[in-house]
Amino acid sequence: QSALTQPASVSGSPGQSITISCTGTSSDVGTYNYVSWYQQHPGKAPKLMIYDVTNRPSGVSNRFSGSKSGNTASLTISGLQAQDEAIFYCSSYASSGTRVFGGGTKLTVL
Amino acid sequence: QVQLVESGGGVVQPGTSLRLSCAVSGFTFSDYAMHWVRQAPGTGLEWVTMISYDGTSTYYTDSVKGRFTISRDNSKNSLYLHMNSLRPEDTAVYYCARDGNYDFDYWGQGTLVTVSS
Repeated sequence: QSALTQPASVSGSPGQSITISCTGTSSDVGTYNYVSWYQQHPGKAPKLMIYDVTNRPSGVSNRFSGSKSGNTASLTISGLQAQDEAIFYCSSYASSGTRVFGGGTKLTVL
Repeated sequence: QVQLVESGGGVVQPGTSLRLSCAVSGFTFSDYAMHWVRQAPGTGLEWVTMISYDGTSTYYTDSVKGRFTISRDNSKNSLYLHMNSLRPEDTAVYYCARDGNYDFDYWGQGTLVTVSS
């Protein structure tokens, strides 16, 4: 049950696009299309932003998109806005009912 | 609207026990699997445990196996986490979360558990 690997931080200017990677193994990300992404603002509960690799829940901006290649999933945010600044976590199903999270990536909007 | 409200957190000594509760509303509780996810101060999210919609199947992260027990009472729309033999490294905010089909689609606000002598 090793954590997924995410970059500690990314940054971008308003209007730009950024991508956050999430690297797992063939036991989780590489095998299952059950990668999800969460946004967490300070002192708040996480919020689901992407599920099943590419799908957005109702109400989530289409500026957020997800993809996967092999053992690595990615979250792309286009048209960066100040309110996007937060910590983003990926998660994957990892067999036998278990789940695993990434270590989190702090997004700074410059 | 969907609501999940955790309670039961507090300050406890190492080796003792604590039970967390999560009261849910706004959806048919008995239709959904549920999770506990924790977040130690200043760190990331850690999946802890999951229970199936009917309570017949449970899963745990290795570090809590044999110490923590997840349970649910569908008649009371409530989820529980029984924590025994608590350790300082169990200190965290504990969130209950609904399983939206391999993701966590709704979260509570969390309850803080501090294990310290």
